[in-house]
Amino acid sequence: AQSVTQLDSQVPVFEEAPVELRCNYSSSVSVYLFWYVQYPNQGLQLLLKYLSGSTLVKGINGFEAEFNKSQTSFHLRKPSVHISDTAEYFCAVSERNAGNMLTFGGGTRLMVKP
Amino acid sequence: DADVTQTPRNRITKTGKRIMLECSQTKGHDRMYWYRQDPGLGLRLIYYSFDVKDINKGEISDGYSVSRQAQAKFSLSLESAIPNQTALYFCATSDSMDRDYFGSGTRLTVV
Repeated sequence: AQSVTQLDSQVPVFEEAPVELRCNYSSSVSVYLFWYVQYPNQGLQLLLKYLSGSTLVKGINGFEAEFNKSQTSFHLRKPSVHISDTAEYFCAVSERNAGNMLTFGGGTRLMVKP
Repeated sequence: DADVTQTPRNRITKTGKRIMLECSQTKGHDRMYWYRQDPGLGLRLIYYSFDVKDINKGEISDGYSVSRQAQAKFSLSLESAIPNQTALYFCATSDSMDRDYFGSGTRLTVV
């Protein structure tokens, strides 16, 4: 079985500052990795995913994440955040060939301040 | 129209009542899922279905049941609701490329 740990429940940051949201996972098999964003009163939207290949993955809204197999991490980064990035962010994993059943982390609330 | 539609959006029910949450999708996907979201716990898988005749328990299926009425419809039932089932519930589908589509959620409160 796999698990996901998001190390920060809340991350306050000023507008235009860089941000990193941390995610670590554990699994006994190869996994796919995902980041989702949830805006207030909305469902989840896929930001980016890592399936294979380049370990640096670029997603929507200027976000990117880097898969580090040795550290079992998949941290999400953005060089300059906007007020509109205020949302909850979820890291998730699924086992390869397991029908895309996702295991989610507890979420990180990103709060961008003016 | 939304790819994945959940009804109702909000529901308050009493302890012991039976309640059904409905989900329909227009993507034509075989795979459908029900998750619940609790603060600090992220989303946890309740049930999943890979086709109409294939239904499986997820991580937290106790107290829940599901019905896959058709490829497009996947309902979640609480046979006898209890307060700790108060949560935000999400339905999702995924395609053969493992792309997920989530509904907007149903906020359920059990009093």
